[in-house]
Amino acid sequence: GAVVSQHPSWVICKSGTSVKIECRSLDFQATTMFWYRQFPKQSLMLMATSNEGSKATYEQGVEKDKFLINHASLTLSTLTVTSAHPEDSSFYICSAHNDRAYEQYFGPGTRLTVT
Amino acid sequence: AQSVTQPDIHITVSEGASLELRCNYSYGATPYLFWYVQSPGQGLQLLLKYFSGDTLVQGIKGFEAEFKRSQSSFNLRKPSVHWSDAAEYFCAVGPTQGAQKLVFGQGTRLTINP
Repeated sequence: GAVVSQHPSWVICKSGTSVKIECRSLDFQATTMFWYRQFPKQSLMLMATSNEGSKATYEQGVEKDKFLINHASLTLSTLTVTSAHPEDSSFYICSAHNDRAYEQYFGPGTRLTVT
Repeated sequence: AQSVTQPDIHITVSEGASLELRCNYSYGATPYLFWYVQSPGQGLQLLLKYFSGDTLVQGIKGFEAEFKRSQSSFNLRKPSVHWSDAAEYFCAVGPTQGAQKLVFGQGTRLTINP
């Protein structure tokens, strides 16, 4: 079946530094990928839609300058949390839309802890 | 506005008992409906989905869901739960065209008693 990977699976960083999270579709092409944020014991909140070769579309209330998204190829999207602060600590999950199968597959998530 | 409501935040059932998780949605057009399961610290796994056709949908791990348009519901069921079914379950809706920008419910945490 279709596989989506995320790297790293967990990361700890100091306040003020930037962290990059990668999302890869391993065996299919994804024109569109999505980034979600999940707080403990809560649902997934869509942050942005990542489109290959164009700018990401951010949901209302999400700071585009803080959460930089790049979708440079059909199999890779990256989320960079810039100048991270403790309130950015969360579980970040990506998903990739399989253009051929009209199916969305989720990555395993990345646990970010900002100290 | 599009929304998904899962009325039960937490459900506890005994192993071997039947299960029903509720999901109600509000959507402007015919939606694509999904149920996902999330184990602690993990991503989401698709259990089943409904787009059209037979309103009773079979999924993986013995789960099924029934779409009821008149009630705007898409409840998830399983005849006999196993301890390994303990997890968080999310109902979601999305468009039937274009990339699937999903709206998720709040989730239902399922605990299994031995």
